[in-house]
Amino acid sequence: EPEVTQTPSHQVTQMGQEVILRCVPISNHLYFYWYRQILGQKVEFLVSFYNNEISEKSEIFDDQFSVERPDGSNFTLKIRSTKLEDSAMYFCASRLDSSSGNTIYFGEGSWLTVV
Amino acid sequence: AQTVTQSQPEMSVQEAETVTLSCTYDTSESDYYLFWYKQPPSRQMILVIRQEAYKQQNATENRFSVNFQKAAKSFSLKISDSQLGDAAMYFCAAINPGLGTDKLIFGTGTRLQVFP
Repeated sequence: EPEVTQTPSHQVTQMGQEVILRCVPISNHLYFYWYRQILGQKVEFLVSFYNNEISEKSEIFDDQFSVERPDGSNFTLKIRSTKLEDSAMYFCASRLDSSSGNTIYFGEGSWLTVV
Repeated sequence: AQTVTQSQPEMSVQEAETVTLSCTYDTSESDYYLFWYKQPPSRQMILVIRQEAYKQQNATENRFSVNFQKAAKSFSLKISDSQLGDAAMYFCAAINPGLGTDKLIFGTGTRLQVFP
């Protein structure tokens, strides 16, 4: 069964460093997302991406964050200068379209620890 | 605005018994979709079941079924014949295209323990 894959599964980085989290969405999907989950808290929406541009973003997704789909298969989340409070599990997700009941499929997550 | 509420932080069930997890949501639109996701200790987010709001019939996936009460804005998950592998965090979530958005809104989750 097709799945969303994410790398790395876990990354430790120093405060102020740049981090890139990578995702390969399900191949025929059209909509791509990043969500995050701080330990012990609920899952929060960061950004959605469609047709090579951001379609929606949350207040969390400030100028420190950016997304890119560089080659038609990968979908990346970049955090320019990490802060301690960026420590969280970051989930990539994708969706085909409304014909699939708007179902969003998640990857296994990338656990980011900022020290 | 759209909100999803899960009022049970923790639930427990004996193996082979049935348990129901509660979820309520708030939306003024008629075009929306509801989901239950399971998050085991590995923290992966796994789709359990989905329900389209325009469908009156409750969704069912093997041992998992929902009780969708549209007027009450309630969307509970029933797990029958509970298994040890069902132990996880369960999140109720909604997506509301009628509001011009496709982001999932999550509840705070219910931690399910399954006892042998």
